[in-house]
Amino acid sequence: AQKITQTQPGMFVQEKEAVTLDCTYDTSDPSYGLFWYKQPSSGEMIFLIYQGSYDQQNATEGRYSLNFQKARKSANLVISASQLGDSAMYFCAMREGSGNTPLVFGKGTRLSVIA
Amino acid sequence: NAGVTQTPKFRILKIGQSMTLQCTQDMNHNYMYWYRQDPGMGLKLIYYSVGAGITDKGEVPNGYNVSRSTTEDFPLRLELAAPSQTSVYFCASSSKRDRVNEKLFFGSGTQLSVL
Repeated sequence: AQKITQTQPGMFVQEKEAVTLDCTYDTSDPSYGLFWYKQPSSGEMIFLIYQGSYDQQNATEGRYSLNFQKARKSANLVISASQLGDSAMYFCAMREGSGNTPLVFGKGTRLSVIA
Repeated sequence: NAGVTQTPKFRILKIGQSMTLQCTQDMNHNYMYWYRQDPGMGLKLIYYSVGAGITDKGEVPNGYNVSRSTTEDFPLRLELAAPSQTSVYFCASSSKRDRVNEKLFFGSGTQLSVL
């Protein structure tokens, strides 16, 4: 079963607008971490933001924020004031806390920012 | 700061050939990983290592071998290359402490084509 689901293969957003990229996850472990990575056309993987399962507040990093809804098992990435440089693939990922578990990635969402 | 270094960046193999993808990190990280990314897809874990001398299979290990003789190096060996192994390969590392929130540091990737 898919542990990380990203249902939006592609998204378009107007420059300077906000956009939400969806991510749902599946785990029975009470301790887990959720990550978002950006992959521009150059191919490198860039860490954006992290949310822990026990964190009381939603994570924020500059223009990135994470809308964490634990009961719904969703961890959506919100990008405010989109810029042309935000055009990229975005991956949601999860690590479960018990045992030696590596990071598991979703299939990604391709975001295109339009001028 | 070198971080995670992968070589080569590009390679074309013929069916049945073998090769080794090199990965080295200079952050003294205990954990190292090999992922593959097929076109339009997320990253799938091939193998990982929690320290020198210790390796374990990920989601898609068939057709690959790894070794971890030092903390710094984690080479990935392809024996008898097949077209299904055409992919972009990423090496990554993370430190041992605070497991759940440890982000991965990625190399720049190796684009491999098997023809």
